[in-house]
Amino acid sequence: GAGVSQTPSNKVTEKGKYVELRCDPISGHTALYWYRQSLGQGPEFLIYFQGTGAADDSGLPNDRFFAVRPEGSVSTLKIQRTERGDSAVYLCASSFAARGGGRDTQYFGPGTRLTVL
Amino acid sequence: DAKTTQPTSMDCAEGRAANLPCNHSTISGNEYVYWYRQIHSQGPQYIIHGLKNNETNEMASLIITEDRKSSTLILPHATLRDTAVYYCIVGSSNTGKLIFGQGTTLQVKP
Repeated sequence: GAGVSQTPSNKVTEKGKYVELRCDPISGHTALYWYRQSLGQGPEFLIYFQGTGAADDSGLPNDRFFAVRPEGSVSTLKIQRTERGDSAVYLCASSFAARGGGRDTQYFGPGTRLTVL
Repeated sequence: DAKTTQPTSMDCAEGRAANLPCNHSTISGNEYVYWYRQIHSQGPQYIIHGLKNNETNEMASLIITEDRKSSTLILPHATLRDTAVYYCIVGSSNTGKLIFGQGTTLQVKP
């Protein structure tokens, strides 16, 4: 079946602009996660949704970052007033989370490479 | 979540077993050990996880020491396609997030 998909695969923007990154999780997965990965580093947790609500947003670096999942499926990560330091690969993952909000196997998408000039 | 320590890099000959160690001396009783890998330019891929007992699936085996302070991921017959960064992660089943470290870069050589 279809895996996690992310669009666009690459995004180049200028400093100060607004960007939206989209994630389509695996059908039926209720949990959705966003991570970002800088060059040479492991992925860094940003936010986790259980259904429509953000269960843990402790990884969002500041208030320029915001994510939504209005219907409990597709999610959008929004970054306002982008800075050069926001350049990274943004990864999305989803899981079935059958155990009532507990951790389950996370399946990752290919990521969106964001470059801020 | 407990911190993990892994070697930065390892080499393995094609066809031989690859044994990747991980130390997690501060692991607590309800924390699982997870292994993911990331092939260049792809998203991380789940491999295996365990709590106390050794586990095996079609990809790998996970050996956890009796005191749970360390574990070893075993790829029984490494192929060139197993070249990747391997991440050992320790976390509670009650939290959604995975805390990735630097991982081990495994290079499988012909």
